[in-house]
Amino acid sequence: DIQMTQSPSFLSASVGDRVTINCKASQNINKYLDWYQQKHGEAPKLLIYNTNNLQTGIPSRFSGSGSGTDYTLTISSLQPEDVATYFCLQHSSRWTFGGGTKLELK
Amino acid sequence: EVQLVESGGGLVQPGRSLKLSCAASGFTFSNYYMAWVRQAPKKGLEWVATISTSGSRTYYPDSVKGRFTISRDNAKSSLYLQMNSLKSEDTATYYCARLERYNWMDAWGQGASVTVSS
Repeated sequence: DIQMTQSPSFLSASVGDRVTINCKASQNINKYLDWYQQKHGEAPKLLIYNTNNLQTGIPSRFSGSGSGTDYTLTISSLQPEDVATYFCLQHSSRWTFGGGTKLELK
Repeated sequence: EVQLVESGGGLVQPGRSLKLSCAASGFTFSNYYMAWVRQAPKKGLEWVATISTSGSRTYYPDSVKGRFTISRDNAKSSLYLQMNSLKSEDTATYYCARLERYNWMDAWGQGASVTVSS
């Protein structure tokens, strides 16, 4: 089974900051990596699929990159509405979520 | 508009069974793989099951294999999760999700809460 290690678990940043969240797979997942945003009390929402493809309707300040075992979600300029928990998901072999990153405003 | 609406959650005793349903609308249900994902209180997301378009192929992680069964009724645009031999660690909110191109989860329901406790 593929394991996903997400870091950091908690992140505090200011409005306008550039924020990066990382996921490391236990083996090569060939860019089959997605990112989800979950606001408090809500269902997860797809942000990015297959490493760097922005889902329809998602602001362009969100972007993804990576290859092999290492992947990154970047928020170029943090906005108040971005406060949420973020999860990565690999779908190279079955499906495995990362542990999540809780993002708060400083 | 794509909609997924879960139902059937509740309080159940350890060792008992429960069946969740997910009603889909706003898309051609039979064209999509579907999945169940759960989230224990204040915890992360865990994939629980996936089913192919026809229902002929199903996939489970070891944590629920042999206890949970995913199924679907394409005529009713409905997805199901039969949960048997429930344990306290199965307590979670259960989400149904649509899989785009068999892979990423591009639409989610609002979730159904399941509590396993005596």
